[in-house]
Amino acid sequence: LAKTTQPISMDSYEGQEVNITCSHNNIATNDYITWYQQFPSQGPRFIIQGYKTKVTNEVASLFIPADRKSSTLSLPRVSLSDTAVYYCLVGRNTGGFKTIFGAGTRLFVKA
Amino acid sequence: NAGVTQTPKFRVLKTGQSMTLLCAQDMNHEYMYWYRQDPGMGLRLIHYSVGEGTTAKGEVPDGYNVSRLKKQNFLLGLESAAPSQTSVYFCASSHAPLSGAADTQYFGPGTRLTVL
Repeated sequence: LAKTTQPISMDSYEGQEVNITCSHNNIATNDYITWYQQFPSQGPRFIIQGYKTKVTNEVASLFIPADRKSSTLSLPRVSLSDTAVYYCLVGRNTGGFKTIFGAGTRLFVKA
Repeated sequence: NAGVTQTPKFRVLKTGQSMTLLCAQDMNHEYMYWYRQDPGMGLRLIHYSVGEGTTAKGEVPDGYNVSRLKKQNFLLGLESAAPSQTSVYFCASSHAPLSGAADTQYFGPGTRLTVL
């Protein structure tokens, strides 16, 4: 399974766009990139998943360059309620997905 | 549709006691997982199951046992609790993804376990 590296923490202000980058130099050909969000005292929640180029949903965008050795989660116009820990995961299912969550990135959104 | 539920929400054990944590999902998911999360850390996979009657070890399986007798339930057992097992335990479930893809996991609210 590919190891991921993310910043430990980030600060932002309400209304700003936040970009969190994840490095995964050892990503395998069939690996997907998935991001989860976790609020205090809650389980993680799926945000977005992608394989290459750009993926967008109602919550976020995921940018993946051609070499796929990194990915960037983009949160448009954050609010105080986006304060959470964001996890980047890299892997695939081959009869069972051994998920590895790193320490994640703690995002603090200030008023 | 309750999603993923966990029982109990909180529990305090003494060293050496045993207990079982119950995870239930009503989404007809094939895959189920048990994780533990220690303060300030990410989640670590304990055991997982890709279908009824099957289980497999994750990253930190020692000291835990699991069973998946019914598709909707995944049980996590601690036979002889130790203080090192004090943690928050999360259960998750997902559909088996399309070939080669990665699954999307749905998590329960967690069980806070303290072992004295």
